[in-house]
Amino acid sequence: QKEVEQNSGPLSVPEGAIASLNCTYSDRGSQSFFWYRQYSGKSPELIMSIYSNGDKEDGRFTAQLNKASQYVSLLIRDSQPSDSATYLCAVGLGGGSQGNLIFGKGTKLSVKP
Amino acid sequence: KAGVTQTPRYLIKTRGQQVTLSCSPISGHRSVSWYQQTPGQGLQFLFEYFSETQRNKGNFPGRFSGRQFSNSRSEMNVSTLELGDSALYLCASSLAASGGDTDTQYFGPGTRLTVL
Repeated sequence: QKEVEQNSGPLSVPEGAIASLNCTYSDRGSQSFFWYRQYSGKSPELIMSIYSNGDKEDGRFTAQLNKASQYVSLLIRDSQPSDSATYLCAVGLGGGSQGNLIFGKGTKLSVKP
Repeated sequence: KAGVTQTPRYLIKTRGQQVTLSCSPISGHRSVSWYQQTPGQGLQFLFEYFSETQRNKGNFPGRFSGRQFSNSRSEMNVSTLELGDSALYLCASSLAASGGDTDTQYFGPGTRLTVL
């Protein structure tokens, strides 16, 4: 059974702080890793994708991948109230050959003004 | 470029009925995946279609089925609806070519199905 685990939260951080979201996965064959943001009542919106070990930065967001530890994280710098949402970690087998992602149940982030 | 579109956006049905949901992928995307999202189970994979063929299937009963047309548009059907089928049904499309960010799935707005 392939699983993706996330802390459900809620994770509460003050405005301007760094929010750190974590995710572990069970399938060592996983090759593609994604973070999606989902606002209440909306569909998931892609924030970051990462395929190689290390860090990948995009604006205020940094994704970190450690395949040996089967661990993915997302850092949000200078958190804003508009970042308040549920963050979903998703894992796939990659290579364009698999259309299904395994999702964690999400971490709810609350950024307090 | 237009995003993924899904119709209808909201649907109310009664137990025992059947329902068909439609999804139009981003232009040029060949893969369409369907997911069910509920508060208790989160996002769960239903099936994926690629070039009109079901390529992957999740762990759902046979009441859930789908198909893909030559223009990559996809439909999913749920027969003999049960109360537990009430959920947000999400469609996602991707290029599904090999390598790089072509695996990235882009979601439509979803269809909210309520079964009474």
